[in-house]
Amino acid sequence: KNEVEQSPQNLTAQEGEFITINCSYSVGISALHWLQQHPGGGIVSLFMLSSGKKKHGRLIATINIQEKHSSLHITASHPRDSAVYICAVRSLIQGAQKLVFGQGTRLTINP
Amino acid sequence: EAQVTQNPRYLITVTGKKLTVTCSQNMNHEYMSWYRQDPGLGLRQIYYSMNVEVTDKGDVPEGYKVSRKEKRNFPLILESPSPNQTSLYFCASSRPANSPYEQYFGPGTRLTVT
Repeated sequence: KNEVEQSPQNLTAQEGEFITINCSYSVGISALHWLQQHPGGGIVSLFMLSSGKKKHGRLIATINIQEKHSSLHITASHPRDSAVYICAVRSLIQGAQKLVFGQGTRLTINP
Repeated sequence: EAQVTQNPRYLITVTGKKLTVTCSQNMNHEYMSWYRQDPGLGLRQIYYSMNVEVTDKGDVPEGYKVSRKEKRNFPLILESPSPNQTSLYFCASSRPANSPYEQYFGPGTRLTVT
């Protein structure tokens, strides 16, 4: 079982829909990152959070430390939101702080 | 502009021909790392560096070498590339690894080994 699990793996929606991507993890963490990877391949950091909730434009990220779960929400989705969204947790593994990545969620927003 | 640069962006090479992928950051970050991304496997860490002259293995270090002689540069060396090293490679940097700082990623290097 992977230490970081994302769901769904693939998501197709219509423009304007409210999107939720989930991330569950099984290790102790100091922070959780949400990353965005566009078809061109580059990776951009969207959020880093260790508690509560953060909002940036139409994107909202929440984390529940007790339940070891985080969600990324996109309101009023747009075709330009089409990308792979990756959850990564920062965890102490074998004495070193490391990033452990989920498999990613491929989001497609149709016009 | 704060950024992480990688070169080359695309490379096709043959088995056994030594190559180096360069990585440079202009943010004075202590921590730098190399990842490879493969379909179905996600991102996996190859090597990381906590600071100048301090490097350590990640999850998949076999077949790779790194060096950190200067704070801004962290090259990835493939001494004898093999087809199983065909992948998309990312360099990343951040403030100290023992604190949850934001990671900055380079644009990626797509390597094909024939």
